[in-house]
Amino acid sequence: DTAVSQTPKYLVTQMGNDKSIKCEQNLGHDTMYWYKQDSKKFLKIMFSYNNKELIINETVPNRFSPKSPDKAHLNLHINSLELGDSAVYFCASSQGEGPEAFFGQGTRLTVV
Amino acid sequence: RKEVEQDPGPFNVPEGATVAFNCTYSNSASQSFFWYRQDCRKEPKLLMSVYSSGNEDGRFTAQLNRASQYISLLIRDSKLSDSATYLCVVKTGAGNKLTFGGGTRVLVKP
Repeated sequence: DTAVSQTPKYLVTQMGNDKSIKCEQNLGHDTMYWYKQDSKKFLKIMFSYNNKELIINETVPNRFSPKSPDKAHLNLHINSLELGDSAVYFCASSQGEGPEAFFGQGTRLTVV
Repeated sequence: RKEVEQDPGPFNVPEGATVAFNCTYSNSASQSFFWYRQDCRKEPKLLMSVYSSGNEDGRFTAQLNRASQYISLLIRDSKLSDSATYLCVVKTGAGNKLTFGGGTRVLVKP
């Protein structure tokens, strides 16, 4: 029983394409996040949602659009993919302002 | 200056030895502090929270120095399985925003 699951695990696509990454958590948490980990291994928060409401929106190109249909799901849609979007994208969840964030296994996106 | 800075390492540690490393943070209003562990090509996982008075969890000891704005992690009696990247994480402000350092890589060798 995977607590935070995201699909796909690997995604290879051409520049200019549009792609989506899906995330689901079965922990009953009310807060979900998207993080990006670049080639230098820095994990940076992109978005945070609490009960389907956007809480944090870091400086992210508007080609990235998160969608939260319910508090158990937070999907990430990326338009017009660029080479610099290549990274590992992690979905995570936490309960309110609790200390621990649980991460999904990551989606390794490669834009060619 | 990065919000959370760590020595990237790697720290090459003989099995059974002790290793310690620090992390500095720039925002004095930071509220909570954590160490996460990330194995190669895996997701980060919480190792331990860091409390003001310092705390221990088995072979791991974490310390917080608010005056100098750094936290530390010490690993005693290192095991091969301790080889990983250790991420310093700071929580600041509302929205439960966790800011990650770049990680310190630890390699424990026989």
